Amino acid sequence: DFQLTQSPSFLSASVGDRVTITCRASQAISTLVAWYQQKPGKAPKLLIYAASTLQSGVPSRFRGSGSGTEFTLTISSLQPEDFATYYCQQVKSDLFTFGPGTKVDSK
Amino acid sequence: QLHLQESGPGLVKPSETLSLICSVSGASIISATYYWGWIRQPPGRGLEWIGNIYYTGTTYNNPSLRSRVTISLDTSKNHFSLRLRSVTAADTAIYYCARVLRDPDGDPFDYWGQGTLVTVSS
Repeated sequence: DFQLTQSPSFLSASVGDRVTITCRASQAISTLVAWYQQKPGKAPKLLIYAASTLQSGVPSRFRGSGSGTEFTLTISSLQPEDFATYYCQQVKSDLFTFGPGTKVDSK
Repeated sequence: QLHLQESGPGLVKPSETLSLICSVSGASIISATYYWGWIRQPPGRGLEWIGNIYYTGTTYNNPSLRSRVTISLDTSKNHFSLRLRSVTAADTAIYYCARVLRDPDGDPFDYWGQGTLVTVSS
């Protein structure tokens, strides 16, 4: 079974902190990761796709990188509106998988 | 401006069929650039992909749900639908519809509906 894991599961941080979230795939695949942000009571919002392409309208403090089986989402300077849960997502053979999520809350 | 809106019963009895529609406005569901999907989220938990449908009618579903899921589209009404048979309490979730961007480096869900809560209970 293809699986995605995320670390950490929870992260406490302060405004201005640099935050890094990692997504690992159980096997290397050719397609790359997308990252989503979800706030309570809201639908997920696409932040990054193809591992590093910033979705239109997303602030440049969000950066994605990685290849193979390991991908990262970095927020260069955490802002108050960035406290949320973040999910990675990949596609393998037309089947989609989401990571379990990383909740970023205020320290 | 693209808008997706889920609609359907908020309460379904166990063993019955959950039926939802995603109405799309601001874009045609007939597109070679995009296709359409369903995702769900049990209360307090993570996201689970249910399945996708292309404008050709080709579908791909989560293997864990495959035997119970039917996704279809109605081009005359510019909407697509989800049917999930034989539901149990474990199918209680917020159900989202979304647009999928066809990209050679992985197809992201670039637009989402607001979601609709479906509770399975007698």
